[in-house]
Amino acid sequence: AQSVTQLDSQVPVFEEAPVELRCNYSSSVSVYLFWYVQYPNQGLQLLLKYLSGSTLVESINGFEAEFNKSQTSFHLRKPSVHISDTAEYFCAVIDASGGSYIPTFGRGTSLIVHP
Amino acid sequence: DSGVTQTPKHLITATGQRVTLRCSPRSGDLSVYWYQQSLDQGLQFLIQYYNGEERAKGNILERFSAQQFPDLHSELNLSSLELGDSALYFCASSVGGQRGQETQYFGPGTRLLVL
Repeated sequence: AQSVTQLDSQVPVFEEAPVELRCNYSSSVSVYLFWYVQYPNQGLQLLLKYLSGSTLVESINGFEAEFNKSQTSFHLRKPSVHISDTAEYFCAVIDASGGSYIPTFGRGTSLIVHP
Repeated sequence: DSGVTQTPKHLITATGQRVTLRCSPRSGDLSVYWYQQSLDQGLQFLIQYYNGEERAKGNILERFSAQQFPDLHSELNLSSLELGDSALYFCASSVGGQRGQETQYFGPGTRLLVL
């Protein structure tokens, strides 16, 4: 069964500083990878996803993530964070080789941006 | 606003009872997904329906059942409720054609408290 590890449960950072949220998954031949963001009292919103092709994917609000097959990682980065980026971030993986396409989520990383 | 609606927003009930959570997908979306988010288990995929048919099944208890109706809205039925069923239940929807690859749009969730 697929598993997803988000190593940091909480990441505090100052505004305008860079940030990296880490995500590792158990090995698979073919995976789809996702980052979701959840603001307080809201549902999840897709931030970005990797399906195939270029290993670097970007979102419209400045986040990017890089698929690293050898390290089975999909870390999320932003060069300069804003207060409004404070939220819970979830990494998710779908094993595309098994046929079930069931998503597995990490436990989440709380990004806290301080002024 | 994702376009996915869920009712009720909050639900308080007692152990042993049965409740029904309702989800209306975005206009045009054929797939509906149900998730449970709790402090213990994190975010867990429960079940997916596509155009009225069950398409994928995750860690859904036998006490739980779901269905998708001809108008594409979905209901999640939880019976013989236990304290541990207290959680946030999310519904998401997607267009439905490309398994695993599509963006899922999440509703605001139903917060269930079992006393």
